Amino acid sequence: EAGVVQSPRYKIIEKKQPVAFWCNPISGHNTLYWYLQNLGQGPELLIRYENEEAVDDSQLPKDRFSAERLKGVDSTLKIQPAELGDSAVYLCASSPGTGVHEQYFGPGTRLTVT
Amino acid sequence: KQEVTQIPAALSVPEGENLVLNCSFTDSAIYNLQWFRQDPGKGLTSLLLIQSSQREQTSGRLNASLDKSSGRSTLYIAASQPGDSATYLCATSVLTSGTYKYIFGTGTRLKVLA
Repeated sequence: EAGVVQSPRYKIIEKKQPVAFWCNPISGHNTLYWYLQNLGQGPELLIRYENEEAVDDSQLPKDRFSAERLKGVDSTLKIQPAELGDSAVYLCASSPGTGVHEQYFGPGTRLTVT
Repeated sequence: KQEVTQIPAALSVPEGENLVLNCSFTDSAIYNLQWFRQDPGKGLTSLLLIQSSQREQTSGRLNASLDKSSGRSTLYIAASQPGDSATYLCATSVLTSGTYKYIFGTGTRLKVLA
C-alpha cells in the first residue's frame, strides 16, 4: 500500500512569490492534516480536513495561507505571498476514518524562502 | 493549553544498551498518545499508539507506557542498535475548542554508537 505522497520535496523561492504544495493521502483515509515543522521543533497543526470539510483551521494564517481538498482526496496548501519566516518543512498526514486515529505522515516539503 | 515536554533533548548511548525516553504533558484529559520516529530530512513514522484507556503498548524491541494521572509516557528501547539513531517525538491528542488536536513535543535526538 502506497504511503502519503507529497510534492515537491524541495522548493526554493524568493520572498513575495507564491508557492503551492500537494498531498495525496493513503487511499481510503478520510482525515488529512497539514503541519508546519521548524528546525528542532515538533510539527504544529495548520489545518485538518475530514473528507472535504476543514474541521480545524484555527492555526492557519489566513491572510497568506490557503488550503483546499477537493473531492475529499488530494489536498493543496498555498502560500501567497511567501515571507522569509515561512521557511520550514510542510508535512502532510492522513488517518483512517474521522475523529482521532493513528496518523501516517508523508516525507514533507522543505521550503526555503530567500 | 496542552504542553508536551521531552527530556532529554539529545542522548548518546553505546550499542546494546537499554534506554528510556520520556514524554510529559500538562493536560491529563488526552484521547490517545502516539510515539513517532523521524529520520533526518524525512517525515514521521508511527511507532506506537496508546489509547487513553491503555497502560502500555509493545512492538518488537519497543515498549511504550502511559500514566495519565501523572501526565507521563515513556518509550523503552531494548538492546539499542545504530539503526535506532533518529529523533523520537511524542504527541498527545486533546479536545481543544470542540475538536481533537495532536500536540507534539520537541523530540529527543538519539544517537546509538557502534
